[in-house]
Amino acid sequence: EDQVTQSPEALRLQEGESSSLNCSYTVSGLRGLFWYRQDPGKGPEFLFTLYSAGEEKEKERLKATLTKKESFLHITAPKPEDSATYLCAVLQGAQKLVFGQGTRLTINP
Amino acid sequence: DTEVTQTPKHLVMGMTNKKSLKCEQHMGHRAMYWYKQKAKKPPELMFVYSYEKLSINESVPSRFSPECPNSSLLNLHLHALQPEDSALYLCASSQEVSGAYNEQFFGPGTRLTVL
Repeated sequence: EDQVTQSPEALRLQEGESSSLNCSYTVSGLRGLFWYRQDPGKGPEFLFTLYSAGEEKEKERLKATLTKKESFLHITAPKPEDSATYLCAVLQGAQKLVFGQGTRLTINP
Repeated sequence: DTEVTQTPKHLVMGMTNKKSLKCEQHMGHRAMYWYKQKAKKPPELMFVYSYEKLSINESVPSRFSPECPNSSLLNLHLHALQPEDSALYLCASSQEVSGAYNEQFFGPGTRLTVL
């Protein structure tokens, strides 16, 4: 069965302190790995899709990378507004997203 | 425009009430989804519509009844819910039903409380 595990569960950083979030996955035939950002009480906001090992994508202070077993979301010089829960998901079959439990990121000013 | 809209934002209902959640997208997306999200948990898939036809039902209780009147609209009809059904209900859509361009874009959600 497809599984997604995210670590750490929670991460607290100082403003400007770079770090990485991890997403380990087990899936039979990766059809896509997705990163979302979710603020409390709101719907997930799409960030990135990665399809093959070695692929990288960037958006502002965020960079997502993919290997055959895991994905990393690197956050460079974060700001307080980057505080959110970051969700990783893989596609099971053609349409079902299987999510990890998420990483709650807090950036202190 | 990558917006999915949902109404209402908040809903409080009794266990004997009948209510409906509404979702709309005007991006020409061919697949639409309902998810349920409990506090501090990830979203869980409930239903998928592809080309206006129900393609996935994740063994959801019959007190939840989805409907797709046209390619832009998705409804979730609620009847005889239980307090444990209280959650954030999310709608999503994707351009394609399989293959590439299947990123799912989520709406803001409806916060449902069942008394």
